[in-house]
Amino acid sequence: DSGVTQTPKHLITATGQRVTLRCSPRSGDLSVYWYQQSLDQGLQFLIQYYNGEERAKGNILERFSAQQFPDLHSELNLSSLELGDSALYFCASSLEGARGPREQYFGPGTRLTVT
Amino acid sequence: AQKITQTQPGMFVQEKEAVTLDCTYDTSDPSYGLFWYKQPSSGEMIFLIYQGSYDQQNATEGRYSLNFQKARKSANLVISASQLGDSAMYFCAMTQYNNNDMRFGAGTRLTVKP
Repeated sequence: DSGVTQTPKHLITATGQRVTLRCSPRSGDLSVYWYQQSLDQGLQFLIQYYNGEERAKGNILERFSAQQFPDLHSELNLSSLELGDSALYFCASSLEGARGPREQYFGPGTRLTVT
Repeated sequence: AQKITQTQPGMFVQEKEAVTLDCTYDTSDPSYGLFWYKQPSSGEMIFLIYQGSYDQQNATEGRYSLNFQKARKSANLVISASQLGDSAMYFCAMTQYNNNDMRFGAGTRLTVKP
Protein backbone atom coordinates (compact mmCIF):
# COMPACT_ATOMS: atom_id res chain seq x y z
CA ASP A 1 0.00 0.00 0.00
CA SER A 2 1.60 3.25 -1.19
CA GLY A 3 -0.50 5.46 1.08
CA VAL A 4 -2.02 7.29 -1.91
CA THR A 5 -5.75 6.77 -2.28
CA GLN A 6 -7.88 7.22 -5.37
CA THR A 7 -11.60 7.06 -5.87
CA PRO A 8 -13.48 5.64 -7.61
CA LYS A 9 -11.65 2.50 -8.66
CA HIS A 10 -13.78 2.03 -11.76
CA LEU A 11 -15.93 4.48 -13.69
CA ILE A 12 -18.12 3.78 -16.69
CA THR A 13 -19.75 6.70 -18.43
CA ALA A 14 -21.03 7.82 -21.81
CA THR A 15 -19.49 10.10 -24.40
CA GLY A 16 -20.08 13.77 -23.75
CA GLN A 17 -20.32 13.34 -20.00
CA ARG A 18 -18.17 14.86 -17.25
CA VAL A 19 -16.47 12.96 -14.41
CA THR A 20 -14.34 13.82 -11.40
CA LEU A 21 -11.52 11.65 -10.14
CA ARG A 22 -10.30 12.13 -6.60
CA CYS A 23 -6.91 11.61 -5.02
CA SER A 24 -5.51 11.88 -1.50
CA PRO A 25 -1.71 12.00 -1.28
CA ARG A 26 0.48 10.28 1.28
CA SER A 27 0.60 12.00 4.62
CA GLY A 28 3.17 14.80 4.46
CA ASP A 29 3.50 14.88 0.67
CA LEU A 30 2.86 18.29 -0.83
CA SER A 31 3.06 17.37 -4.51
CA VAL A 32 0.35 15.59 -6.46
CA TYR A 33 0.76 14.38 -10.03
CA TRP A 34 -1.78 13.02 -12.48
CA TYR A 35 -0.94 10.49 -15.20
CA GLN A 36 -2.90 8.79 -17.94
CA GLN A 37 -2.06 5.25 -19.04
CA SER A 38 -3.52 4.01 -22.29
CA LEU A 39 -2.54 1.18 -24.61
CA ASP A 40 -1.60 3.45 -27.50
CA GLN A 41 0.02 6.34 -25.61
CA GLY A 42 1.62 4.54 -22.69
CA LEU A 43 2.08 6.43 -19.42
CA GLN A 44 1.78 10.18 -19.87
CA PHE A 45 2.20 12.97 -17.37
CA LEU A 46 -0.78 15.28 -17.24
CA ILE A 47 -0.28 17.86 -14.51
CA GLN A 48 1.38 18.54 -11.16
CA TYR A 49 0.23 20.54 -8.16
CA TYR A 50 2.44 21.58 -5.29
CA ASN A 51 0.86 22.82 -2.08
CA GLY A 52 -2.22 24.05 -3.91
CA GLU A 53 -0.51 25.66 -6.87
CA GLU A 54 -0.12 24.31 -10.39
CA ARG A 55 3.57 23.62 -10.92
CA ALA A 56 3.94 21.70 -14.17
CA LYS A 57 1.76 20.84 -17.10
CA GLY A 58 2.19 17.97 -19.51
CA ASN A 59 -0.02 16.51 -22.21
CA ILE A 60 -3.28 17.58 -20.63
CA LEU A 61 -6.19 18.32 -22.92
CA GLU A 62 -8.14 21.56 -22.56
CA ARG A 63 -11.21 19.45 -21.70
CA PHE A 64 -9.36 18.27 -18.59
CA SER A 65 -8.66 20.33 -15.50
CA ALA A 66 -7.35 19.69 -12.03
CA GLN A 67 -7.04 21.40 -8.69
CA GLN A 68 -5.48 20.77 -5.30
CA PHE A 69 -7.39 21.78 -2.20
CA PRO A 70 -6.09 23.20 1.11
CA ASP A 71 -6.17 19.73 2.67
CA LEU A 72 -3.90 18.68 -0.24
CA HIS A 73 -6.31 16.27 -1.86
CA SER A 74 -6.67 16.72 -5.59
CA GLU A 75 -9.37 16.28 -8.18
CA LEU A 76 -9.05 15.69 -11.91
CA ASN A 77 -12.06 16.80 -13.92
CA LEU A 78 -12.63 15.30 -17.36
CA SER A 79 -15.37 16.82 -19.50
CA SER A 80 -16.93 16.26 -22.93
CA LEU A 81 -15.63 12.73 -22.72
CA GLU A 82 -14.65 10.87 -25.86
CA LEU A 83 -14.08 7.18 -26.46
CA GLY A 84 -10.34 7.85 -26.61
CA ASP A 85 -10.34 9.11 -23.03
CA SER A 86 -10.83 5.54 -21.82
CA ALA A 87 -7.70 4.82 -19.80
CA LEU A 88 -6.24 4.17 -16.39
CA TYR A 89 -5.71 7.44 -14.54
CA PHE A 90 -3.10 7.49 -11.82
CA CYS A 91 -2.46 9.96 -9.10
CA ALA A 92 0.99 10.05 -7.49
CA SER A 93 2.50 12.04 -4.67
CA SER A 94 6.01 12.92 -3.57
CA LEU A 95 7.91 14.71 -0.88
CA GLU A 96 10.16 17.28 -2.49
CA GLY A 97 13.45 17.86 -0.79
CA ALA A 98 16.17 20.42 -1.27
CA ARG A 99 17.74 18.45 -4.13
CA GLY A 100 14.57 18.29 -6.15
CA PRO A 101 11.85 15.71 -6.58
CA ARG A 102 12.39 12.16 -5.50
CA GLU A 103 10.35 9.02 -6.08
CA GLN A 104 6.68 9.36 -6.69
CA TYR A 105 4.26 7.01 -4.98
CA PHE A 106 1.30 5.98 -7.08
CA GLY A 107 -2.28 5.35 -6.09
CA PRO A 108 -4.14 2.26 -7.32
CA GLY A 109 -5.60 4.17 -10.27
CA THR A 110 -9.08 4.87 -11.60
CA ARG A 111 -10.08 2.88 -14.65
CA LEU A 112 -12.31 5.05 -16.83
CA THR A 113 -14.37 3.47 -19.56
CA VAL A 114 -16.22 5.77 -21.94
CA THR A 115 -18.95 4.05 -23.95
CA ALA B 1 13.86 17.15 -24.18
CA GLN B 2 14.14 14.06 -22.05
CA LYS B 3 13.54 10.63 -23.50
CA ILE B 4 13.48 7.12 -22.07
CA THR B 5 13.96 4.02 -24.21
CA GLN B 6 13.25 0.42 -23.24
CA THR B 7 14.06 -1.82 -26.17
CA GLN B 8 12.87 -5.13 -24.74
CA PRO B 9 9.10 -5.53 -25.09
CA GLY B 10 9.24 -8.90 -23.34
CA MET B 11 11.74 -10.94 -21.36
CA PHE B 12 11.68 -14.45 -19.93
CA VAL B 13 13.74 -15.69 -17.00
CA GLN B 14 13.92 -18.94 -15.10
CA GLU B 15 12.95 -18.83 -11.45
CA LYS B 16 15.95 -18.16 -9.14
CA GLU B 17 18.07 -16.74 -11.97
CA ALA B 18 19.09 -13.09 -12.42
CA VAL B 19 17.72 -10.90 -15.18
CA THR B 20 18.69 -7.49 -16.57
CA LEU B 21 16.12 -5.09 -17.97
CA ASP B 22 17.57 -2.44 -20.24
CA CYS B 23 16.92 1.30 -20.12
CA THR B 24 18.64 4.13 -21.93
CA TYR B 25 17.87 7.78 -21.55
CA ASP B 26 18.59 11.08 -23.17
CA THR B 27 18.70 14.47 -21.48
CA SER B 28 20.73 17.64 -21.73
CA ASP B 29 20.22 18.44 -18.05
CA PRO B 30 23.17 17.34 -15.85
CA SER B 31 20.82 16.94 -12.87
CA TYR B 32 18.26 14.19 -13.13
CA GLY B 33 16.79 11.20 -11.37
CA LEU B 34 16.16 7.72 -12.74
CA PHE B 35 13.48 5.37 -11.44
CA TRP B 36 12.15 1.89 -11.95
CA TYR B 37 8.54 0.94 -11.33
CA LYS B 38 6.80 -2.44 -11.37
CA GLN B 39 3.24 -2.83 -12.60
CA PRO B 40 1.71 -6.25 -11.85
CA SER B 41 -1.40 -7.45 -13.65
CA SER B 42 -3.49 -5.89 -10.89
CA GLY B 43 -2.50 -2.49 -12.30
CA GLU B 44 -0.86 -0.62 -9.44
CA MET B 45 2.51 1.10 -9.96
CA ILE B 46 5.07 0.05 -7.38
CA PHE B 47 8.24 2.10 -6.86
CA LEU B 48 11.33 -0.13 -6.86
CA ILE B 49 14.53 1.90 -6.97
CA TYR B 50 15.96 5.39 -7.53
CA GLN B 51 19.30 6.66 -8.86
CA GLY B 52 20.36 10.30 -8.83
CA SER B 53 22.64 11.56 -11.55
CA TYR B 54 25.24 12.66 -9.01
CA ASP B 55 25.15 9.48 -6.97
CA GLN B 56 28.57 7.85 -6.99
CA GLN B 57 27.40 4.34 -6.25
CA ASN B 58 24.81 2.18 -7.97
CA ALA B 59 21.53 2.03 -6.10
CA THR B 60 20.44 -1.24 -4.50
CA GLU B 61 17.20 -2.24 -2.81
CA GLY B 62 17.04 -5.84 -1.72
CA ARG B 63 17.04 -8.03 -4.83
CA TYR B 64 16.95 -4.96 -7.09
CA SER B 65 20.03 -3.10 -8.22
CA LEU B 66 20.48 -0.39 -10.79
CA ASN B 67 23.47 -0.63 -13.13
CA PHE B 68 24.07 3.08 -13.76
CA GLN B 69 26.48 3.88 -16.59
CA LYS B 70 26.37 7.64 -16.91
CA ALA B 71 28.63 7.97 -19.94
CA ARG B 72 26.49 5.47 -21.85
CA LYS B 73 23.27 7.03 -20.49
CA SER B 74 22.00 3.68 -19.38
CA ALA B 75 20.21 2.66 -16.19
CA ASN B 76 19.58 -1.07 -16.36
CA LEU B 77 17.59 -2.85 -13.65
CA VAL B 78 19.04 -6.10 -12.35
CA ILE B 79 16.75 -8.46 -10.48
CA SER B 80 18.58 -11.23 -8.67
CA ALA B 81 17.11 -14.61 -7.71
CA SER B 82 13.90 -14.10 -9.70
CA GLN B 83 10.63 -15.17 -8.12
CA LEU B 84 7.31 -16.02 -9.74
CA GLY B 85 5.87 -12.85 -8.18
CA ASP B 86 8.33 -10.78 -10.20
CA SER B 87 6.28 -11.41 -13.35
CA ALA B 88 4.99 -7.95 -14.28
CA MET B 89 5.56 -4.91 -16.49
CA TYR B 90 8.60 -2.88 -15.55
CA PHE B 91 8.92 0.79 -16.40
CA CYS B 92 12.02 2.95 -16.42
CA ALA B 93 11.36 6.64 -15.77
CA MET B 94 13.24 9.91 -15.43
CA THR B 95 12.75 13.36 -14.02
CA GLN B 96 14.99 16.36 -14.25
CA TYR B 97 15.64 18.25 -11.03
CA ASN B 98 14.04 21.43 -12.29
CA ASN B 99 11.23 19.68 -14.13
CA ASN B 100 8.87 17.34 -12.36
CA ASP B 101 7.52 15.92 -15.60
CA MET B 102 8.27 12.21 -15.11
CA ARG B 103 8.80 10.51 -18.47
CA PHE B 104 8.32 6.78 -18.77
CA GLY B 105 9.65 4.23 -21.18
CA ALA B 106 7.33 1.86 -23.03
CA GLY B 107 7.95 -0.87 -20.48
CA THR B 108 9.26 -4.44 -20.49
CA ARG B 109 7.01 -7.37 -19.67
CA LEU B 110 8.95 -9.86 -17.55
CA THR B 111 7.75 -13.43 -17.24
CA VAL B 112 9.36 -15.69 -14.65
CA LYS B 113 9.15 -19.38 -15.53
CA PRO B 114 8.97 -22.06 -12.81
